[in-house]
Amino acid sequence: GDSVTQMEGPVTLSEEAFLTINCTYTATGYPSLFWYVQYPGEGLQLLLKATKADDKGSNKGFEATYRKETTSFHLEKGSVQVSDSAVYFCALMNYGGSQGNLIFGKGTKLSVKP
Amino acid sequence: DAGVTQSPTHLIKTRGQHVTLRCSPISGHKSVSWYQQVLGQGPQFIFQYYEKEERGRGNFPDRFSARQFPNYSSELNVNALLLGDSALYLCASTLQGADYNEQFFGPGTRLTVL
Repeated sequence: GDSVTQMEGPVTLSEEAFLTINCTYTATGYPSLFWYVQYPGEGLQLLLKATKADDKGSNKGFEATYRKETTSFHLEKGSVQVSDSAVYFCALMNYGGSQGNLIFGKGTKLSVKP
Repeated sequence: DAGVTQSPTHLIKTRGQHVTLRCSPISGHKSVSWYQQVLGQGPQFIFQYYEKEERGRGNFPDRFSARQFPNYSSELNVNALLLGDSALYLCASTLQGADYNEQFFGPGTRLTVL
């Protein structure tokens, strides 16, 4: 079945450091890919998305490119801030097999130190 | 505009009991999905409802059931609670059920089973 694998955390960075969180997926067909963020005590917020190969999603300085050849959707940010501390989830939605529900990775906790 | 609301925020139950969780979607959204997020894991899909009909079901036992009402709000019911049902239960609403639309998540209900 469809699945998402993302790098284990926690990830601890200093403010203004470069961030990469790796995400790879397994899916039939052509899924849409997402990054969600969960701040402490809150629900999930959509950070960015890409719906087809080579699309780049971007928001709040975060970027991710849909790479079909490597089945990857790595999240990057050039300069992280303390306020970026949260748990980040990579997810896919495959309409063919799963009728529009999201399949999530296990999450990567990011801590940014001042 | 109000986002997705869920009630209660927290609850504590004992093994064998029954629980009902409630969700109100964003106004105008006709589809509701339920997810279970066990501590340290990504959310897992339980159900999706659209126009009061079940559109998808994840790999959960029959102890889990749900329904959607004419006003598009939804209930998730869990019978014969087990310790392993302790989790954050997330509700998400979308404008449509069949095609891709962003899923907006509520803050969740934290269920503890003792």
